[in-house]
Amino acid sequence: ELKVEQNPLFLSMQEGKNYTIYCNYSTTSDRLYWYRQDPGKSLESLFVLLSNGAVKQEGRLMASLDTKARLSTLHITAAVHDLSATYFCAVVSNSGSARQLTFGSGTQLTVLP
Amino acid sequence: NAGVMQNPRHLVRRRGQEARLRCSPMKGHSHVYWYRQLPEEGLKFMVYLQKENIIDESGMPKERFSAEFPKEGPSILRIQQVVRGDSAAYFCASSDQTATEAFFGQGTRLTVV
Repeated sequence: ELKVEQNPLFLSMQEGKNYTIYCNYSTTSDRLYWYRQDPGKSLESLFVLLSNGAVKQEGRLMASLDTKARLSTLHITAAVHDLSATYFCAVVSNSGSARQLTFGSGTQLTVLP
Repeated sequence: NAGVMQNPRHLVRRRGQEARLRCSPMKGHSHVYWYRQLPEEGLKFMVYLQKENIIDESGMPKERFSAEFPKEGPSILRIQQVVRGDSAAYFCASSDQTATEAFFGQGTRLTVV
């Protein structure tokens, strides 16, 4: 059974600081996704990582994937208040015809002024 | 191009009633996934459907829950005889045949009173 673990679960940052959220998963996968969710809202797709060594950047967020270590990171650079949200990573299993996403528990990020 | 449309956005049911949640996938998408999100938790996979077929229902509770995706019309998630523990946000996602990326609807927030 595929398990996805994120840490930290809660993160308070000062504006302007850098931090990294980690996502570990338990079985082989070559597709990993990062989503953002604001309270009471749906999931907004941030990054789709499809191969080992993939790195994508959008604004102050950068995501990377190491399929050998079964690890993805979401790095936040010079945080601003607008980044406050819950961030989820999700993985698709390589086994069989599985296409559904298995989600981590989420990291609730609060950026403080 | 409209995104994934879910309705209703909010649904209140008394214990023992039935809840019907609808999902219209993005245009051109034939794969639909239902997820449930309990408060303060990540999304949990429930069921994966293609037109007129249930592909994977490994995440569906064994009783009271059913899903369909008819040839015409939206996908329906049906919960019979709802209980308080069914209160959650239910999200639908759709993808094309490649399933490289799934797009999420706004969700239906079910409250059982």
